[in-house]
Amino acid sequence: EGQLVESGGGLVKPGGSLRLSCAASGFIFSTYAMNWVRQAPGKGLEWVSYITSSSANIYYADSVEGRFTISRDNAKNSLYLQMNSLRAEDTAVYFCAKEGYKVWGQGTLVTVSS
Amino acid sequence: VVLTQSPLSLPVTLGQPASISCRSSQSLVHSDGNTYLNWFHQRPGQSPRRLIYKVSNRDSGAPDRFSGSGSGTDFTLTISKVEAEDVGFYYCMQGTHWPPQTFGQGTKVEIK
Repeated sequence: EGQLVESGGGLVKPGGSLRLSCAASGFIFSTYAMNWVRQAPGKGLEWVSYITSSSANIYYADSVEGRFTISRDNAKNSLYLQMNSLRAEDTAVYFCAKEGYKVWGQGTLVTVSS
Repeated sequence: VVLTQSPLSLPVTLGQPASISCRSSQSLVHSDGNTYLNWFHQRPGQSPRRLIYKVSNRDSGAPDRFSGSGSGTDFTLTISKVEAEDVGFYYCMQGTHWPPQTFGQGTKVEIK
């Protein structure tokens, strides 16, 4: 089924940028679509973005459209989320999840605060 | 699509059954005939774990005390006999009408 490990979270000021990474192993990464899902402190799950295996199709939640960019490097078995113009409401644990949501990473915390 | 779970808090007795409802604002039957409704369990500080996919298919590794049922707009997750390890939050999620894929608000299960 595989394993996913996120990295890149941290503390950033409002208006700042951050790039999250998700390293995949144990499955043929290049054949699966991938998702980013986030969870604000004490809140539920929110789907953020989706990318097909070839990057041909990409979708975003309205809340991040125009500010976040999902991408992937199949040669490096890696998924990315470039987050710009960050807001306090983007504070959350960000999870990457394999197509179908059978496999999730452990999450990385992003805190947007001055 | 809005998913509404009930109850939002569910105190349960060990060994007793428990059920969580998930109602959708529109039918979750896809044009391909499948219904893409999943159930997840999340313990505090952990990632979500998928238990059920396409309404009633139990994932490998999910205990057989968990079952999913329903159709159209009404779905139910049932735990036949609650065990201590079942505490945490449960979420339904639909993948029929997207983007966006949507989750229910979550149901907190705790032992009485």
